[in-house]
Amino acid sequence: GQSLEQPSEVTAVEGAIVQINCTYQTSGFYGLSWYQQHDGGAPTFLSYNALDGLEETGRFSSFLSRSDSYGYLLLQELQMKDSASYFCALLTGGGNKLTFGTGTQLKVEL
Amino acid sequence: DTGVSQNPRHKITKRGQNVTFRCDPISEHNRLYWYRQTLGQGPEFLTYFQNEAQLEKSRLLSDRFSAERPKGSFSTLEIQRTEQGDSAMYLCASSNSGRVTYEQYFGPGTRLTVT
Repeated sequence: GQSLEQPSEVTAVEGAIVQINCTYQTSGFYGLSWYQQHDGGAPTFLSYNALDGLEETGRFSSFLSRSDSYGYLLLQELQMKDSASYFCALLTGGGNKLTFGTGTQLKVEL
Repeated sequence: DTGVSQNPRHKITKRGQNVTFRCDPISEHNRLYWYRQTLGQGPEFLTYFQNEAQLEKSRLLSDRFSAERPKGSFSTLEIQRTEQGDSAMYLCASSNSGRVTYEQYFGPGTRLTVT
């Protein structure tokens, strides 16, 4: 099976940079995804890493190191609307199902 | 709106009753997934379909749960003899098929409360 661990909560100020870490255990996977979920909302896709290294999408970047079983999501120029839960998820199997981590609640303060 | 839709959005039922949820995926997507999410946790995979074929079911899915996707379009998830532990948000997602399709589009979910 797979398991993923994330910090439960992170707090940062508007305009700052924050990093959300994800460590995982798995016997095999295609890649690591990141999803954002606002309270009461649906998870929405943010980023995906198939290979080691950094992927940049606007204010968001994601990193993967397969040798360290570790990844992170980097959010720059934080805005109040970034306050949400962030999940890392392993993409596995023939159907490309997602196995989600425990989630990190990000609070952005003024 | 061409996103994933789910109905109903909320369902309150008494323990022991049967409930059925519906998911309409994005029209050109042939993969459809069901997940369950409880408060403070990430979504947990339940099952997925490629077209009308149900290709994988989680060990979490007891015999009381059944899902169908007739004609490879919308899907239904039925829970028989509901228990209080079934209270959760049930999320549907869809994606295109391919060797690796990493972006899944989620619907707003159906929140089930079993009293």
